[in-house]
Amino acid sequence: NAGVTQTPKFQVLKTGQSMTLQCAQDMNHNSMYWYRQDPGMGLRLIYYSASEGTTDKGEVPNGYNVSRLNKREFSLRLESAAPSQTSVYFCASSELAAVNNEQFFGPGTRLTVL
Amino acid sequence: RKEVEQDPGPFNVPEGATVAFNCTYSNSASQSFFWYRQDCRKEPKLLMSVYSSGNEDGRFTAQLNRASQYISLLIRDSKLSDSATYLCVVNGHKLVFGAGTILRVKS
Repeated sequence: NAGVTQTPKFQVLKTGQSMTLQCAQDMNHNSMYWYRQDPGMGLRLIYYSASEGTTDKGEVPNGYNVSRLNKREFSLRLESAAPSQTSVYFCASSELAAVNNEQFFGPGTRLTVL
Repeated sequence: RKEVEQDPGPFNVPEGATVAFNCTYSNSASQSFFWYRQDCRKEPKLLMSVYSSGNEDGRFTAQLNRASQYISLLIRDSKLSDSATYLCVVNGHKLVFGAGTILRVKS
């Protein structure tokens, strides 16, 4: 099992460009999440999908959109990148969205917006 | 005030030392508590859940004090491989991550 995979690992964008971060899990989990991690701050939830066919905003959704393509895949789109979106992005999944469920993380995407 | 606060460290300790980290949270309705470990430039991984009665996993002991709203992690007999950032995670209606405490174990 690969667990949670993310592509790309690194990306440099210019302000105003768009891109999609891809995430896939092979653990048959129902719930998937997108976080960003900035220096000196905890991981912050951007969007999540409690189950296939549903998506909800997290703490910092502005400037992002998501698509739960199927049970395995959850993508994050930046429509018009801004320097404030320079960050490390982690995708995660859990069996359920229940409060005590362990979340499994992908290796992250390091994004720089110039 | 941050919802979850941790001392960022770094804690620099020799091998074999005992080290303790604390974490405070602001939401008294929080239900679940965890410690995650994050190695440099890697993804976070669950270290252990924290139960009301306290729990131990080998050299690691986690405690929860609901009255004072803090969680602790004790590491005994530190190893070089324990060097990492330890994230306190609290779950009320959503999962909230602390910024992490850096531990460096030196030989």
